[in-house]
Amino acid sequence: DTGVSQDPRHKITKRGQNVTFRCDPISEHNRLYWYRQTLGQGPEFLTYFQNEAQLEKSRLLSDRFSAERPKGSFSTLEIQRTEQGDSAMYLCASSPRQGINEQFFGPGTRLTVL
Amino acid sequence: TQLLEQSPQFLSIQEGENLTVYCNSSSVFSSLQWYRQEPGEGPVLLVTVVTGGEVKKLKRLTFQFGDARKDSSLHITAAQPGDTGLYLCAGEWGTYKYIFGTGTRLKVLA
Repeated sequence: DTGVSQDPRHKITKRGQNVTFRCDPISEHNRLYWYRQTLGQGPEFLTYFQNEAQLEKSRLLSDRFSAERPKGSFSTLEIQRTEQGDSAMYLCASSPRQGINEQFFGPGTRLTVL
Repeated sequence: TQLLEQSPQFLSIQEGENLTVYCNSSSVFSSLQWYRQEPGEGPVLLVTVVTGGEVKKLKRLTFQFGDARKDSSLHITAAQPGDTGLYLCAGEWGTYKYIFGTGTRLKVLA
């Protein structure tokens, strides 16, 4: 069990560019979450999948953000037309089968928008 | 809107001292987790509490879930420099949805 992995670990981009992040959850974990964390704050919920179905999306998530989990395994988070306010750590977490209410986090992707 | 307030926000103590971190809300949660996060890394789960009034111990760390499942505390006995980090509580609301607290940054000085 290698844990949750995220790629890339760091991304620097210019304002207006699109970026895509990948998350590979722990094998056989059916729930997958995306969070955004700014410096010194707790993670803020963005969206959540159960298998390939996106069950919840934060109202804070603008139309520039989209997430997919096409085969119920890995997930991608895309941000279009990035803005400086998008600079943050983007965290992915996975949870195992129903009845287990624990999340296992990846190391995160640090995004810097110049 | 659910909100989880943690206090204190910052804590700097000497090695060997005891401390308590609080996590408070006006909302009821079906479970509550505590995490510790190191700089540049994702949060690492410490414990999950589910039942009102539940107390769990993890070595020198004691976690308690409030009777009404609206609040929780984390008590550290004889803190060590290795306890330094950002402590986060997270409440589960609805079905498998979580809200994180504002965080408590702890620094333990040798």
